[in-house]
Parts: sequence; structure tokens; C-alpha cells
Amino acid sequence: QVQLVESGGGVVQPGRSLRISCAASGFTFTRHAMHWVRQAPGKGLEWVAVITYDGRNKWHADSVKGRFTISRDDSKNTLYLQMNSLRPEDTAVYYCGRDGSGWWAVDYWGQGTLVTVSS
Amino acid sequence: QSALAQPASVSESPGQSITISCTGTSSDVGGYNHVSWYQQHPGKAPKLMIWGVSNRPSGVSGRFSGSKSGNTASLTISGLQAEDEADYYCSSFTTSSTWVFGGGTKLTVL
Repeated sequence: QVQLVESGGGVVQPGRSLRISCAASGFTFTRHAMHWVRQAPGKGLEWVAVITYDGRNKWHADSVKGRFTISRDDSKNTLYLQMNSLRPEDTAVYYCGRDGSGWWAVDYWGQGTLVTVSS
Repeated sequence: QSALAQPASVSESPGQSITISCTGTSSDVGGYNHVSWYQQHPGKAPKLMIWGVSNRPSGVSGRFSGSKSGNTASLTISGLQAEDEADYYCSSFTTSSTWVFGGGTKLTVL
């Protein structure tokens, strides 16, 4: 069965960096685009970034552009989000998600990892 | 990219039907048939309910249906059940090759 397991969250000071990961299993990783979506405490969902199935193209939300970078390592079936220059408003649960082939939607979600930006 | 507009909350009695709207622009909802809907229970990850405006993934109840007219998409839930009480989010692909979510709608089953 499809499994997505995020890791790497924690407490980090403003201005510092953090990389979170998403280990994928149960499907052919290289056939799917992958997303990061976040949810601040008590707030709604916010799309963060997407990377195509082959890693050649990636897009980021304006709110994180220039600070966050999505990437993938197909040899490890792992998705990453490198987060630099973190701000308190980046505090959220970060979910990774699989894009359904040709669906343009996230058909499977991980359970999320909490990133807290605080001094 | 501004969030898509959804009502903050809706409520209805069990057995009844409810429709949640999702209004965007011609750059997102109106420009593509890539609208999806997600259900989220408290403390849980979201679950895909509708993709491509009106398609249901395997395992999703037929009580859930989606549609779109112009810049507004809609999710209809018929025969409301207590388990349907949750937050619902719409999402759309955009002309910037990004995605945007709605602000979310809290559904209360009275």
C-alpha cells in the first residue's frame, strides 16, 4: 500500500535552515509528481511546492519562493524540502503528497511533520 | 495567488444535502478542469474526495459529487451522515503552474 512518511521537523530559530524529508513506498516513485502542503496551527491548507515525476521542473508558492526548495532523490524514493531563512509564519505541519497520475490532485498524503519557528 | 473563496461554515441535518461553493478566477478554477476537493477530520491528514471537478477516487462514497460553472466549483454531499462532519477544502491548478487552496469550510451535521 502507498505510504508517505515525513520526518525532520522540530523547533528552529528564525533565520535558520531546516530540511524535512518524505520517504515513499508502495508505488513507483518515479511515475509521480510530488507536493508539499502546509497547515499552520488552527488554519487552512496552503500549497507550498511541486516537483515533476522526473525532477526536471519544480514550482514554489510565492510565500516561500527564494527561501524553500523542493527536490527528490529517486534512488532513495525520498522527497525533500529545504527551508532557509525561516520565519515564525512558516510554523506549520508540513505534509507531503503524491500527485495522482494525470489527476492534478494529491491522492495520497503523509501524516505530516511539525515545524516550529521560534526563538 | 489569492486563496479560493469558500464559506467559513455550513450546517445541515442528517439525511439532507448540502453544497459548498469555491470561487476563484479565470486564472484558476475557471481556466482549468483541475479542481479537487479534500476532507479533513481534526488532527488527521486531508483525504481526496473529488478530482478533475467531478471524479471520485475509488472508495469515496457516491454521496459526494462535484461540479463547476464558470469560476465557481461546488461540492455536494447528499444523505448527510454524522461522519461527514469535517473541514472541506477545494483546490485548483493555476496559470502559474502552481496550486491554490480555498480557505476551508467547516461542515457541521446537526
